[in-house]
Amino acid sequence: GAGVSQTPSNKVTEKGKYVELRCDPISGHTALYWYRQSLGQGPEFLIYFQGTGAADDSGLPNDRFFAVRPEGSVSTLKIQRTERGDSAVYLCASSLNLAGGPSGELFFGEGSRLTVL
Amino acid sequence: QKEVEQDPGPLSVPEGAIVSLNCTYSNSAFQYFMWYRQYSRKGPELLMYTYSSGNKEDGRFTAQVDKSSKYISLFIRDSQPSDSATYLCAMSWYSSASKIIFGSGTRLSIRP
Repeated sequence: GAGVSQTPSNKVTEKGKYVELRCDPISGHTALYWYRQSLGQGPEFLIYFQGTGAADDSGLPNDRFFAVRPEGSVSTLKIQRTERGDSAVYLCASSLNLAGGPSGELFFGEGSRLTVL
Repeated sequence: QKEVEQDPGPLSVPEGAIVSLNCTYSNSAFQYFMWYRQYSRKGPELLMYTYSSGNKEDGRFTAQVDKSSKYISLFIRDSQPSDSATYLCAMSWYSSASKIIFGSGTRLSIRP
């Protein structure tokens, strides 16, 4: 299908390692979001992009987390020096950015499940 | 205090019952209110979207927003086992792409 694609679907790593999570949004969607979802919790906002630029990165918890979207399509979430508390499902979503249009419709991928041992 | 509060449940009702799901929020600047449904190990999907106060109906689903009380609700009529999922309320400040804040979700189970 033509939905949001996230890779890897599962990632197990050791504390202190570096991790990259990839998101391929729906073609033509200009806005791209990263959320983090812990067990039994709702998605927690991390960052969103409008085109290539980060429009709001206020949810990134600290400087170990960084995200890029160099060509305005695929995005990569990078986590340095991983900690056990980083274990969660990382969700990516994309949306059409139509000013005045029916916003709020984020199309989510199935997530990347990160486990830090 | 979280910006958006939602009872985590779990909530279990018999098939055919009316279900009421609720959220409260603290930031009066929220203008756009949404309900998402999330099946196990899947990403959330949008169910309902409303702007400001009022009601919106779509099939068996009705969303209500009361901005004066900072309270939103989702009603499901004639509930079906396929409605069993986690329901997430969400809200934002702007109509175009912007930060969207989610509640913690209510886990709903419909018993056949």
